[in-house]
Amino acid sequence: DIQMTQSPSTLSASVGDRVTITCRASQSISNWLAWYQQKPGKAPKLLIYKASSLESGVPSRFSGSGSGTEFTLTISSLQPDDFATYYCQQYNSYPWTFGQGTKLEIK
Amino acid sequence: QVQLVQSGAEVKKPGASVKVPCKASGYTFTNYGISWVRQAPGQGLEWMGWINAYNGNTNYAQKLQGRVTMTTDTSTSTAYMELRSLRSDDTAVYYCARRRAAGNGMDVWGQGTTVTVSS
Repeated sequence: DIQMTQSPSTLSASVGDRVTITCRASQSISNWLAWYQQKPGKAPKLLIYKASSLESGVPSRFSGSGSGTEFTLTISSLQPDDFATYYCQQYNSYPWTFGQGTKLEIK
Repeated sequence: QVQLVQSGAEVKKPGASVKVPCKASGYTFTNYGISWVRQAPGQGLEWMGWINAYNGNTNYAQKLQGRVTMTTDTSTSTAYMELRSLRSDDTAVYYCARRRAAGNGMDVWGQGTTVTVSS
C-alpha cells in the first residue's frame, strides 16, 4: 500500500496568514492526488484534484502543487472559515490511501 | 441538487452485520461510481472500496476483503455497503461519496452514518 504522510500534524496560524501543508507519498503517484477539508461532525469536502486542479466553487486562495512523491496545499490568506482538518489522498493505485490529517488551528 | 443521503445511526452487537444505504439524487446514477470511506472516533479517513454504478464492478480494501460487499440498485439510485462479522473496531462514521471519472476525486459526500458496535 502507498503510505501518505502529512506535515505538520497540527498548524497554528492567524487570519490573513499564508499557510502550506505538505503531503509525501511512499512511492510516485504522478499527479493522482486530492485534498479534502473536513470540519467537526461534517463530511469531507473536495478542494483540489489531480494535485493542482481547483474544484468548482472552492475559493481561489486554495492552491495545490506537486507531482511524484511531494505535494503541497497552500492557503494564500487564511479566513475564519478555513480552520479545519485537511487530508491528502492518493488515487494512483488501490487501495486508495489518505494522509493522517493536518489540523489547522487558530493561533 | 446533487446529493447523497444516508440512513440514521445503527447500533450492532459484535458478530452482527450492518447494511448502510446511500440514496443518490440530482444526477445520472450510472454515470459515476460510489466510494465508501469510514472514520473511527477521533481518527482519520479510511477508504473501504468503491463500486462502479454502471456495471457493478467493485474494488475493496484488502483488510476488509471477505467481510464487505458493495452493491447498487439502479432502479432506486441507491448504493449499499454491507459489513459482516462486526467488531468493536468497526465503530465509525461511514460515508458514501460520488467518485468522478478517472482522476477527478470524490466530489459529493453523504452526511455519514454512525455505526456503533457494542455488546
